[in-house]
Amino acid sequence: DGGITQSPKYLFRKEGQNVTLSCEQNLNHDAMYWYRQDPGQGLRLIYYSQIVNDFQKGDIAEGYSVSREKKESFPLTVTSAQKNPTAFYLCASKPNRDYGYTFGSGTRLTVV
Amino acid sequence: QKEVEQNSGPLSVPEGAIASLNCTYSDRGSQSFFWYRQYSGKSPELIMFIYSNGDKEDGRFTAQLNKASQYVSLLIRDSQPSDSATYLCAPQSSGNTGKLIFGQGTTLQVKP
Repeated sequence: DGGITQSPKYLFRKEGQNVTLSCEQNLNHDAMYWYRQDPGQGLRLIYYSQIVNDFQKGDIAEGYSVSREKKESFPLTVTSAQKNPTAFYLCASKPNRDYGYTFGSGTRLTVV
Repeated sequence: QKEVEQNSGPLSVPEGAIASLNCTYSDRGSQSFFWYRQYSGKSPELIMFIYSNGDKEDGRFTAQLNKASQYVSLLIRDSQPSDSATYLCAPQSSGNTGKLIFGQGTTLQVKP
């Protein structure tokens, strides 16, 4: 079955530590997106990529980094520069401009 | 002014009633509009999309779009307790990024 897989489901980060969230899709979608969701709030765009080896900052990119070396994969690194990283992180993909997103199941990151 | 505005609710309706969820958006260039349902602790799932002015029906769901008024709505007929969730309105941003702009969502409670 085609889909988009995020791992891990839960992640705990210590202060000053970098962590990487995985996002893999086998839907052959060109575009991939990372969002952050805080309790009671909407989704805020962190980074997006419309093609391999190219990505753009979203509205809240500070403290995050991404890579897009393969069409299937779009990992997100939460760096120590991100001061308030506790949130629900969602990865999404879509085939082209006028389609909706398919979301992964999300990663819940907590700072300990 | 927020880019996408939704009443956060909760909107409470009795089982079997019609639930009406509303959304206004600021980007006049938006051409595609999506509604997502998000259960607590889960990722959003696409339930409706609409591109043209007027109504679009799919089962118990009807999406309505008025681009001149920058208004989109979702009607849920014969509401069921399983419809209790947060509903996210997501117009696609104008330009060629394909990114969706999410409202903060309306929480719907369907009471048996």
